[in-house]
Amino acid sequence: QSALTQPPSASGSPGQSVTISCTGTSSDVGGSNYVSWYQQHPGKAPKLMIYGVTERPSGVPDRFSGSKSGNTASLTVSGLQAEDEADYYCSSYAGSNTFYVFGAGTKVTVL
Amino acid sequence: QVQLQESGPGLVNPSGTLSLTCGVSGGSISSTKWWSWVRQPPGKGLEWIGEIYHSGSTNYNPSLKGRVIISLDTSKNQFSLKLSSATAADTAVYYCARNGDYNLQLWGQGTLVTVSS
Repeated sequence: QSALTQPPSASGSPGQSVTISCTGTSSDVGGSNYVSWYQQHPGKAPKLMIYGVTERPSGVPDRFSGSKSGNTASLTVSGLQAEDEADYYCSSYAGSNTFYVFGAGTKVTVL
Repeated sequence: QVQLQESGPGLVNPSGTLSLTCGVSGGSISSTKWWSWVRQPPGKGLEWIGEIYHSGSTNYNPSLKGRVIISLDTSKNQFSLKLSSATAADTAVYYCARNGDYNLQLWGQGTLVTVSS
């Protein structure tokens, strides 16, 4: 059982937006400025898409954005493209006892 | 640019020790503070295993503590994972990663380890 709760699936048509939620507790998401999101295509390694709740690494399109409210973080993909179809995992730093926790992942389908 | 490559046996006997190495190329392992191991059972999500500081300090997932050791060899520019008392539940793709500021910034391609007799 994953520490963070994500919906198993989400979908949208090309050009539309999709938002994925990631719910934790005050011990992780709610109490951390260190929420990150990873994209994983089938058979490939995860790729960092968002860090520090809202920051994008160099090279990640600005169609990807992150936010947080209370114990729930969100990833929004705007202007969906076929290549955005993948699994997305949220993660949070949860302090010096638990360190890093992940969600179970959300499969995004581009219709 | 920095690249990571996992290597090690793809098959481990039950109750044996799973041993993997992550080779770092394109940069010095001493130039980054933390390096991590993460695993992903087939068809399942990600699990952080632990991390090592360039000085050798370590942090481990409490659920695996007691079975896992992560070490560093700066002369070979690599770090390693040992997971003892392996069971079928340890069957997974194992990734090594370079940490950013409380995130996993760069990942290796991963290697599948199966625990089976």
